[in-house]
Amino acid sequence: GAVVSQHPSWVICKSGTSVKIECRSLDFQATTMFWYRQFPKQSLMLMATSNEGSKATYEQGVEKDKFLINHASLTLSTLTVTSAHPEDSSFYICSARGSEAGPPREQFFGPGTRLTVL
Amino acid sequence: GQQLNQSPQSMFIQEGEDVSMNCTSSSIFNTWLWYKQDPGEGPVLLIALYKAGELTSNGRLTAQFGITRKDSFLNISASIPSDVGIYFCAGQLSPYTNAGKSTFGDGTTLTVKP
Repeated sequence: GAVVSQHPSWVICKSGTSVKIECRSLDFQATTMFWYRQFPKQSLMLMATSNEGSKATYEQGVEKDKFLINHASLTLSTLTVTSAHPEDSSFYICSARGSEAGPPREQFFGPGTRLTVL
Repeated sequence: GQQLNQSPQSMFIQEGEDVSMNCTSSSIFNTWLWYKQDPGEGPVLLIALYKAGELTSNGRLTAQFGITRKDSFLNISASIPSDVGIYFCAGQLSPYTNAGKSTFGDGTTLTVKP
């Protein structure tokens, strides 16, 4: 149990376009989802925390208008990178946490989405 | 903000050897988590620790929650080639506030030579 999926697993886009990444909890209801960004050989950097049905809480330095997060249901959160530029190229990982997914302290991670902006 | 110092940054060991890595923090955490990440994939939870002093095992892996609540270590015994990957520690201040947000260490890259 406690499986989290992400789609797409990789995406290549042109500079200036927008890209949407989906994160789904497949076998539990995720009351909270987290979005991370990871550069090569670096740690995970938390971008934002989203709770179902409410606005996301962004970490300091993360542009809300650039990285739009929607958590419309208990099993789906989306991250939209708007007007993407090459510096947005990165590995984006979501995690989900829910009251039914074992102890509430645990986060379960998706497999990540590799974004390359040309 | 809270910071985690994870060491060593990388390790190169022979198959069969034991491995030890640790994380220290300048402030207290109430939960410690250890994850493993394979290339191009998301982290997978290995061990979760909830009480100061707690020692927990998962197969060849053993982790402890430091008594001061400011540190944790992970040991891997009798390493095998599939142990290769990046190991991250993560601390949570509280599972019930901040939506259980975790702070991650910088990772330990493990290479196992057959």
